[in-house]
Amino acid sequence: EAQVTQNPRYLITVTGKKLTVTCSQNMNHEYMSWYRQDPGLGLRQIYYSMNVEVTDKGDVPEGYKVSRKEKRNFPLILESPSPNQTSLYFCASSRSPRRGAGDEKLFFGSGTQLSVL
Amino acid sequence: GDSVTQMEGPVTLSEEAFLTINCTYTATGYPSLFWYVQYPGEGLQLLLKATKADDKGSNKGFEATYRKETTSFHLEKGSVQVSDSAVYFCALKGDYGGSQGNLIFGKGTKLSVKP
Repeated sequence: EAQVTQNPRYLITVTGKKLTVTCSQNMNHEYMSWYRQDPGLGLRQIYYSMNVEVTDKGDVPEGYKVSRKEKRNFPLILESPSPNQTSLYFCASSRSPRRGAGDEKLFFGSGTQLSVL
Repeated sequence: GDSVTQMEGPVTLSEEAFLTINCTYTATGYPSLFWYVQYPGEGLQLLLKATKADDKGSNKGFEATYRKETTSFHLEKGSVQVSDSAVYFCALKGDYGGSQGNLIFGKGTKLSVKP
């Protein structure tokens, strides 16, 4: 089954304790992206990756890191989490983000609810 | 820069009522337009899309028409069901010559349908 898998589903941590949220897709997609969803603010992009070893900042990258060493995986790293990073996080992927590529549909994971105390 | 504005919710309707969720956009050129839906406890999934002016996207009884003259992509459904209760996101992808066409999302509109 084609899917984007995020883990964990729920995470409670404390300020400053490094954490990683994993994301994996089994569709051989080039493009992957991380979003955070907050009430009243909708979805905001954190980082994205056009392909292996190619990553770039989205709208709200501060406090986050990513890596894309393999095509299928795109982990989100919080080196020193703070309470303002409490949010619902989504990973997404698509075959290609390029206009006219024929497949612009984004596939989303089920989300990771993070609470930083 | 490019942006999407959609009506604020929440929207509460009775079953079989008519639904409209307004969405307008600001973009240069000819962006692609999308509606995504997020059911409770799930990630977003594509509901419908339109890639050029006057195109109508449709799926599951929902429709939206790409109106270049009014820069709008309003979502409509003639008769909503309780199972349509979800958050709906309007989104656009810019018409760029390069490869940086990330999706830009509206803030979402929560729909609740009562039996």
